[in-house]
Amino acid sequence: EIVLTQSPATLSLSPGERATLSCRASQSVSSYLAWYQQKPGQAPRLLIYDASNRATGIPARFSGSGSGTDFTLTITSLEPEDFAVYYCQQRSNLVTFGQGARLEIK
Amino acid sequence: EVQLVESGGGLVQPGGSLRLSCAASGFTFSSHSMSWVRQAPGKGLEWVSYISSGGITIYYADSVRGRFTISRDNAKNSLHLQMNVLRDEDTAVYYCARGRGVDANFDCWGQGTLVTVSS
Repeated sequence: EIVLTQSPATLSLSPGERATLSCRASQSVSSYLAWYQQKPGQAPRLLIYDASNRATGIPARFSGSGSGTDFTLTITSLEPEDFAVYYCQQRSNLVTFGQGARLEIK
Repeated sequence: EVQLVESGGGLVQPGGSLRLSCAASGFTFSSHSMSWVRQAPGKGLEWVSYISSGGITIYYADSVRGRFTISRDNAKNSLHLQMNVLRDEDTAVYYCARGRGVDANFDCWGQGTLVTVSS
């Protein structure tokens, strides 16, 4: 099983700041890495697929990068609605999710 | 509007069975892979099972293999999850999720249905 480890577990920032979330895979997943956002009481929402492709309707302030085992989700200039939990997910070998990273308001 | 609506959740005793359903609308169901993803209370996301668009290819997480069965009816635009020999640790909100075409990038999710396994 491919294990995804997200860091940091919690990131405290203010609106307008830049957020950088990391996801490391226990073995190469090539570019088969996605990012999701989940708010309390809601289903997850796809943000980025295949490492760097924004999903339909996702604002340009969200971007993804990386390949192999190390990936990054960057949110430039945080908006109030961006504070949520973020998950990475691989589909290289079955499917696994990272443990999640909470982005909270400082 | 693309929509996925789960049903069938509820309270069941350990060792019991439950069948979840997911009704799809607003898109060509037969063109997309589908998966079930669950989330235990206060925990993260856990992928449960995948079925290809035509129903030929099926995968399960180790935690449910041999107990859960995924199926789909493309004529009725529906996805199902038969859950047998349920355990306390199966307690979770179960989401059905659509793949972007054949892949397992989940671009549409239902609202979830809660399954509680308890005596």
